Amino acid sequence: NAGVTQTPKFRVLKTGQSMTLLCAQDMNHEYMYWYRQDPGMGLRLIHYSVGEGTTAKGEVPDGYNVSRLKKQNFLLGLESAAPSQTSVYFCASIGGMRQETQYFGPGTRLLVL
Amino acid sequence: GENVEQHPSTLSVQEGDSAVIKCTYSDSASNYFPWYKQELGKGPQLIIDIRSNVGEKKDQRIAVTLNKTAKHFSLHITETQPEDSAVYFCAASKANAGGTSYGKLTFGQGTILTVHP
Repeated sequence: NAGVTQTPKFRVLKTGQSMTLLCAQDMNHEYMYWYRQDPGMGLRLIHYSVGEGTTAKGEVPDGYNVSRLKKQNFLLGLESAAPSQTSVYFCASIGGMRQETQYFGPGTRLLVL
Repeated sequence: GENVEQHPSTLSVQEGDSAVIKCTYSDSASNYFPWYKQELGKGPQLIIDIRSNVGEKKDQRIAVTLNKTAKHFSLHITETQPEDSAVYFCAASKANAGGTSYGKLTFGQGTILTVHP
């Protein structure tokens, strides 16, 4: 089992460009999450999904969109990147409502110039 | 919504000493409190967790205590080793609460722990 994987590992964007971050898990988990990590602010929830075809907003959703077309994949999109979106992005997953432990991916470092 | 405060932001200890990191939470309905360790360039990994029906939990050199009345919980690492050096995060959630909790975690700001040989 690879667990939770994220692609790409690192990306540099110019302001206004778009990109999609991919999260994949092979644990058949129901719930998936996208966080951003900024110095001194911990991890903040961007969007989450409780099953295939569902998405919901987290704490800091503005400027991001997500999709969960397949149970194993959760995509995070930036339509028009801004320097404020420079961050490290982490994906996580949980088995379902009766599960508690979130398993994290290795992260994607994004720099927006 | 839930707010989790974590202190200190940095902690430096000598190998063999103990380290204590403290967190407070605001939502009395929170019932699950995990601690994550993040090594450089990696994602957070769960090291220990505690539920609201338990006051203390130990796993070898790591222990967590919870005071529901005061709404704070702490991580204790004894006999620290250089490989304990990492960023540690506390978190809180309303696990298995039904409704719209969905296992969402609220994280503290993180503590950079450095263990000097």
